Amino acid sequence: TQLLEQSPQFLSIQEGENLTVYCNSSSVFSSLQWYRQEPGEGPVLLVTVVTGGEVKKLKRLTFQFGDARKDSSLHITAAQPGDTGLYLCASGTGANNLFFGTGTRLTVIP
Amino acid sequence: ETGVTQTPRHLVMGMTNKKSLKCEQHLGHNAMYWYKQSAKKPLELMFVYSLEERVENNSVPSRFSPECPNSSHLFLHLHTLQPEDSALYLCASSQGPGQATNEKLFFGSGTQLSVL
Repeated sequence: TQLLEQSPQFLSIQEGENLTVYCNSSSVFSSLQWYRQEPGEGPVLLVTVVTGGEVKKLKRLTFQFGDARKDSSLHITAAQPGDTGLYLCASGTGANNLFFGTGTRLTVIP
Repeated sequence: ETGVTQTPRHLVMGMTNKKSLKCEQHLGHNAMYWYKQSAKKPLELMFVYSLEERVENNSVPSRFSPECPNSSHLFLHLHTLQPEDSALYLCASSQGPGQATNEKLFFGSGTQLSVL
């Protein structure tokens, strides 16, 4: 079992601000996925990072995978109310063996 | 439209009731999953089916019984549940067979279950 720690647990910011959330493990990630779960819905996959040091961008979201593949961050620029949700990281040896973190619950206030 | 549909969206049941959760995927995937999401706990993988055969059962109590009649449908039969079983139950599917590290999971909207 791989333990994934996410921080912060809760984050409330004003619209237009920037933020970063983190996902850490004591073990090396084989790969790492980031999901966003909006209230009343299931998680939706945002990105998968595989290579140490990898950076991927998805509009205002920037995902970084640590060089040692033990940590990852998600940075959001100019947050909008539509970014509100639970951000989950997940890792495992396959889709049938995926471990999730407890998530960061983000609220963006208009 | 995520391609994975779960019914019902909400369910309230007593501890002596029997109920079933239903999941249907319209993505042509070969693997389907049941997850449990409780407050303050990570998503917990309960069951995995690949090509209609169960390949994972993570020590889930027998009061939860899965059924996968074909690659598009997945059920979770509930019997004699406890209040601590109250949670969001999420169904997911993937292309399969679920062993690739970059395989994508597609989730349904979940069934919010309350056990009284």
